[in-house]
Amino acid sequence: QVQLVQSGPEVKKPGASVKVSCKASGYTFKTYGFSWVRQAPGQGLEWMGWISGYNGNTKYAQKFQGRVTMTTDTSTSTAYMEVRSLRFDDTAVYYCTRVISVLGVITGPFDYWGQGTLVTVPS
Amino acid sequence: EIVLTQSPGTLSLSPGERATLSCTASQSVRSSFLAWYQQKPGQAPRLLIFGASSRAAGIPDRFSGSGSGTDFTLTISGLQPEDFAVYFCQQYGSSPLTFGGGTKVEIK
Repeated sequence: QVQLVQSGPEVKKPGASVKVSCKASGYTFKTYGFSWVRQAPGQGLEWMGWISGYNGNTKYAQKFQGRVTMTTDTSTSTAYMEVRSLRFDDTAVYYCTRVISVLGVITGPFDYWGQGTLVTVPS
Repeated sequence: EIVLTQSPGTLSLSPGERATLSCTASQSVRSSFLAWYQQKPGQAPRLLIFGASSRAAGIPDRFSGSGSGTDFTLTISGLQPEDFAVYFCQQYGSSPLTFGGGTKVEIK
C-alpha cells in the first residue's frame, strides 16, 4: 500500500532553516511527483510547489520562490523540502503529497498525503 | 491565480440529512481539474473527488461531485457520523494550484 512517512516535529528560531523529509513506499517512486502543502494553525491549505520524482524538475509558488527548495533522493525514495529564513508566520503543518504530472504539468489531484510535520517558529 | 470561494462557511446538519457544498472559481477550471478533500481534526486531508465528479478509491457512493467551468458542488447524501469534518475544494488545472477556504460540516 502507498505510504508517505514524514519526519518529526521541529522547533526553529526565526532566521533558521528547516528541512522536512517524506519517505515514499508502495509504488514506483519515479512515476509520480510530489507537491508540498502547508496549513497554518486553524487555517486553510496552501500549495507551495511541486517536484518531479522522475527527473527532479521543480515548480514553486511565487510566494515561496527563492526561500524554498524541493529535492528528491531516488536511492532512498525520499522527497525533501527546505524552508530558509524562517519567520513566525511559517509556523504550520507541512504535508507532502503524491501527484501525477505529465511533461512537468500537474494533471492529477493529491491522492496520497503524508501525516504532516509541524514546524514551529516561536515569536 | 484562480481564487476558489466555498460556501457556506459552516453547515449545521443532522445525521441522515443531505449536505450540499459549493465551490465557485474566479475563472474557468481547465479540464474540470477540480478535487474535493475531507479533513478531520489532527489528520491529513483525504481525497474524495477528482475531475469534478470521479470518486477516489474507497470513497462511499454517498459522496458525489458535479459541475464544470466555474461552479462545482459536493453532495453528501445521508450524512454519517464520520462525515462531520471540514471539506476543501482544490483546482489543479492552472498554476499556482489553489484551495478554497473550506466548509465545516457540523452536527446540528
